[in-house]
Amino acid sequence: AQTVTQSQPEMSVQEAETVTLSCTYDTSESDYYLFWYKQPPSRQMILVIRQEAYKQQNATENRFSVNFQKAAKSFSLKISDSQLGDAAMYFCAYRAYNTDKLIFGTGTRLQVFP
Amino acid sequence: GAVVSQHPSRVICKSGTSVKIECRSLDFQATTMFWYRQFPKQSLMLMATSNEGSKATYEQGVEKDKFLINHASLTLSTLTVTSAHPEDSSFYICSAVIPGHQNSPLHFGNGTRLTVT
Repeated sequence: AQTVTQSQPEMSVQEAETVTLSCTYDTSESDYYLFWYKQPPSRQMILVIRQEAYKQQNATENRFSVNFQKAAKSFSLKISDSQLGDAAMYFCAYRAYNTDKLIFGTGTRLQVFP
Repeated sequence: GAVVSQHPSRVICKSGTSVKIECRSLDFQATTMFWYRQFPKQSLMLMATSNEGSKATYEQGVEKDKFLINHASLTLSTLTVTSAHPEDSSFYICSAVIPGHQNSPLHFGNGTRLTVT
């Protein structure tokens, strides 16, 4: 069974600085998708970034980028130039290629200090 | 863009009663929807996969007779918590994916906070 692990329950960063959130996963599949979702206090799930496993190039979305290491089964999220609005719970998620089911990690609470 | 609407956003019910939560895809047809449950400060746990026109598929450990799922149309799935108990108090979130868009991420509803007194 696939599992997703986020080993950092909480992280903090100073405004304008950079922070990296860790995620590892376990799967025997070769094709899959990985996602980072943000959940602010409103509880709305917001897609931050996604990565297709067959792509070697790391995904980037403005201030958000990932470091995808397929062999190590690692998928970390880097937030550059952190903003107060980035404060939220961040969930790493895995989806096998032939299904729409998402498996979530336990989440990392990110605090941003001014 | 694609939107998933969930209703109600908050509901309080008494023990022993049933409560229905609706999940609608507003501008696309969703043959499959997913229901998640999230306890405070915890992750989202998949409860079941709702399939239009057929029975829902429940994850291990989820009581299908307690959490009734009906996906009667291509735009609506409902989750009914039957004989609610305080232990059922939680945050319930639905999601859907646009059919045929394998690479499409899930679209989430805004969630329903259920409190059973």
